[in-house]
Amino acid sequence: GNSVTQMEGPVTLSEEAFLTINCTYTATGYPSLFWYVQYPGEGLQLLLKATKADDKGSNKGFEATYRKETTSFHLEKGSVQVSDSAVYFCAPSNDMRFGAGTRLTVKP
Amino acid sequence: NAGVMQNPRHLVRRRGQEARLRCSPMKGHSHVYWYRQLPEEGLKFMVYLQKENIIDESGMPKERFSAEFPKEGPSILRIQQVVRGDSAAYFCASSPLGTIPNEQFFGPGTRLTVL
Repeated sequence: GNSVTQMEGPVTLSEEAFLTINCTYTATGYPSLFWYVQYPGEGLQLLLKATKADDKGSNKGFEATYRKETTSFHLEKGSVQVSDSAVYFCAPSNDMRFGAGTRLTVKP
Repeated sequence: NAGVMQNPRHLVRRRGQEARLRCSPMKGHSHVYWYRQLPEEGLKFMVYLQKENIIDESGMPKERFSAEFPKEGPSILRIQQVVRGDSAAYFCASSPLGTIPNEQFFGPGTRLTVL
């Protein structure tokens, strides 16, 4: 089956800092990979996705590249904002187990 | 196209009562998933349903919890004889049949408080 190992939080950064949240996967075959974000008091929403190796997903300044050679899908943002404070979940397709996520707090 | 709807958004029950949580998937979606999230914790998978079928209930507690997704109407998560430990946010997600990648669309959640 598919599973991911995600960097544990919490992560606290100052505004405009660089963000990396690590995610590595183990999979049979090559699943699609997702990053979801959960803002306070809300449900999860898809942030970005990549469907095959070397694909780069991007949205709202966030990026993640599907790297087959390192089995990774690390989430990055060059300059975080206070509004990025949320919990981030990495997930492969067809796996319903999201795990604990990584809580990010950005301070002004 | 309305998103995934959940109601009620907030539900208060006393110990021993029943809680019924409803989820209306996005139009055209035939797969529904239920998750539980305790405060400051991650999302815990409970059950995966298709219309009139339970596909995977491996995350569902064996007692007091049940789920259904009838041919017509919303999916229902039912918790009988609630206890304080059932207090949590319950999220529903839906996905369309046979879509790759299997992106899930989440509802806003129902926050259950057991007094």
